[in-house]
Amino acid sequence: QITLKESGPTLVKPTQTLTLTCTFSGFSLSTSGVGVGWIRQPPGKALEWLALIYWDDDKRYSPSLKSRLTITKDTSKNQVVLTMTNMDPVDTATYYCAHRPSATHFDYWGQGTLVTVSS
Amino acid sequence: NFMLTQPHSVSESPGKTVTISCTRSSGSIASNYVQWYQQRPGSAPTIVIYEDNQRPSGVPDRFSGSIDSSSNSASLTISGLKTEDEADYYCQSYDSSIPYVFGTGTKVTVL
Repeated sequence: QITLKESGPTLVKPTQTLTLTCTFSGFSLSTSGVGVGWIRQPPGKALEWLALIYWDDDKRYSPSLKSRLTITKDTSKNQVVLTMTNMDPVDTATYYCAHRPSATHFDYWGQGTLVTVSS
Repeated sequence: NFMLTQPHSVSESPGKTVTISCTRSSGSIASNYVQWYQQRPGSAPTIVIYEDNQRPSGVPDRFSGSIDSSSNSASLTISGLKTEDEADYYCQSYDSSIPYVFGTGTKVTVL
C-alpha cells in the first residue's frame, strides 16, 4: 500500500525559504521509472505542478518557478524534500506530494499541507 | 508551454450524463496522453482516467475518457451521474519540455 505524507511549516514570512518534506512508504525511489512530484493549489484555484525527481536523481522543475525550487531525495529515509526560496503571499497554497508510476500521471497523493505566507 | 482549458462548471441531474472538455492550446492533443483527476472538497486529487481512456482499478465504468483531434481536445464523460460525483475535475498532460501541465479545472454540480 502506497502512502505519502507532507510535513513542514504552516506559516512562513515573506522572503523566507520554505522547506517541505514528503515521507512515503509502499515503494522505493530507487526502482526504475518511479518518481515523486510536488504540486500546489492556492485556495480556490487550480492545481499547479512544481517539481519532480526521478529514481535516477534526474530532476525537472516548472519553468515559471525553476529559479526558486530545489528538489532532493533521501532514498534510505524514503523522503523527498522541496525547498522554495523567497516566499511571497501569492505562494500561499496547499502543497501536495505524489507518486509517479510512469511517464504520464500521479497515482497516489499525500493529504496535502497548507502553507500560509504572511508577515 | 501549452495550456489546458476547461469549462469553469457544468451541472446535471442525477442519472444523467455530463461531459467535460479539455482543450490544448498548442501542440497536438493526440501526441501526449491525457489524464483526469477528481478532487472532492477538502480532499487530495485522485486519478479517474489515465493514458486518455484507461480506468484505474476501483474507478467505476461510468467514467470514460476520449480524445478528439479535430478540436484538439480531450473529454471526460460521467454517465449515470451520482451525488458522489460532485467534485472538481482536472485534466493533465505533458510534452517533451514540461512533464506535467494541469487544466484549469471544472466544477461538477449534481442538481
